[in-house]
Amino acid sequence: DIQMTQSPSSLSASVGDRVTITCRASQNINTFVNWYQQKAGEAPELLIYVATSLQRGVPSRFSGSGSGTDFTLTISSLQPEDLATYYCQQTYGETLTFGGGTKVELK
Amino acid sequence: QVQLVESGGGVVQPGRSLRLSCAASGFTFSSYSMHWVRQAPGKGLEWVAVTSYDGGNKFYADSVKGRFTVSRDNSKNTLYLQMNSLRAEDTAVYFCARDQTDNYPFNWLDPWGQGTLVTVSS
Repeated sequence: DIQMTQSPSSLSASVGDRVTITCRASQNINTFVNWYQQKAGEAPELLIYVATSLQRGVPSRFSGSGSGTDFTLTISSLQPEDLATYYCQQTYGETLTFGGGTKVELK
Repeated sequence: QVQLVESGGGVVQPGRSLRLSCAASGFTFSSYSMHWVRQAPGKGLEWVAVTSYDGGNKFYADSVKGRFTVSRDNSKNTLYLQMNSLRAEDTAVYFCARDQTDNYPFNWLDPWGQGTLVTVSS
């Protein structure tokens, strides 16, 4: 199975900061990576699909990059409503896997 | 609007069985692959299983293979997860989610239901 190693597991940042979350795949997965946001007590929501495409309705301060084994989710200017846990996910294989998650907190 | 509503969760003893349901509305259910994803208390997301649009392709996480069975009834717009030989480590909120394609290879999951809690305890 393909493993997704996400880092950091948590971070603390101030409003307006640029935030970067990374995800590394255990093998080349092209661009078959998606990113999800999960707020406390809620279901996950799709942010980015196939590594770089912004889901409709998601603010443009969110962006994704990468291909092969290394991927990045960037929040260009952190807002209070971005407090959440973020997960990467690969869909390259028959079985899907998620990264361990990154909890974003306000400093 | 597109909606997914899970049901069937509850408290069950180790070794027993439980069947979860996911009722879909607002889209052509029979045209999409559907997934189950779970989240143990305080933990991250774990993908569980997927079925293609017609049930012809099904894949499972190693942790549930041989114990869980995913199925669907397109006439009822409903997805199921039959869970047998339940263990304490199966305790989690179980979400259903729609894929954006009808079959393998799979794409991305959107939307998700609100989840149903399964607690395995004696």
